[in-house]
Amino acid sequence: SQQGEEDPQALSIQEGENATMNCSYKTSINNLQWYRQNSGRGLVHLILIRSNEREKHSGRLRVTLDTSKKSSSLLITASRAADTASYFCAPGGNYGQNFVFGPGTRLSVLP
Amino acid sequence: NAGVTQTPKFQVLKTGQSMTLQCAQDMNHEYMSWYRQDPGMGLRLIHYSVGAGITDQGEVPNGYNVSRSTTEDFPLRLLSAAPSQTSVYFCASSYRVGGGPGEQYFGPGTRLTVT
Repeated sequence: SQQGEEDPQALSIQEGENATMNCSYKTSINNLQWYRQNSGRGLVHLILIRSNEREKHSGRLRVTLDTSKKSSSLLITASRAADTASYFCAPGGNYGQNFVFGPGTRLSVLP
Repeated sequence: NAGVTQTPKFQVLKTGQSMTLQCAQDMNHEYMSWYRQDPGMGLRLIHYSVGAGITDQGEVPNGYNVSRSTTEDFPLRLLSAAPSQTSVYFCASSYRVGGGPGEQYFGPGTRLTVT
C-alpha cells in the first residue's frame, strides 16, 4: 500500500477564488483518486484519474496527473463556502494493495 | 442499495472489554477496508480485504482482528480495548478497476470511546 502526501496542509481563500492542492506519491500507480471529507463525516469520492490520463474534469473540479513526477493536482474553480472541507488524494496501486490516506489539505472558503 | 452500513453508530467501552464493529455492503465489492480517524488527523488503514477469505494488515493493525467469510460482511474485532483506541472508525468498500481498488464508498462511521 502506498500513501499520498497532500500539500499544502491548510488553505484559506475567499469565495469565488480558485483553490489548488497538490499530491505526491512514491511508487507506480494504477489510478489516483481524490476525496472530500466534511467535518465528522465519511469520505466522499470526487474524481478518479487513470495512470494513462493527464487531465480530467468534473464540474468545477480539474485534476491533473504527471506520472513522471509522481504528482497530481486538484483545482476547484469559483469556490463556494460549501467547498470548505478536507481533501485527500489516494494513489491506487495494483491488486492486493489498498489506499493509505495522507493527512489531507484542509480548505477554508470564506464568504 | 443501502451502500455501506456500519453498526453501532456510537459505543463506549471500558478498558479491557472486547467488541465487534459491524460493516456490510450490498454492492458486491471485492475490496473492503477499515480505517480509524483520530481528531484532526487523516485516516489510517487498519486492515483490508481483497475478497472473501483474504485479509491483510494496514498501517495500524495491532489490537484488531478481521475476517471476511462473505463478500458482504467485514467485521472488525477489538480484542482488549485500550484508551488509545478511542477514535472514529470508518468502513469502506470498492470495486476493482484495472487490477487495483476503484472508488471507495464509505460508511457513516462508528464513534468509539474507551474509558
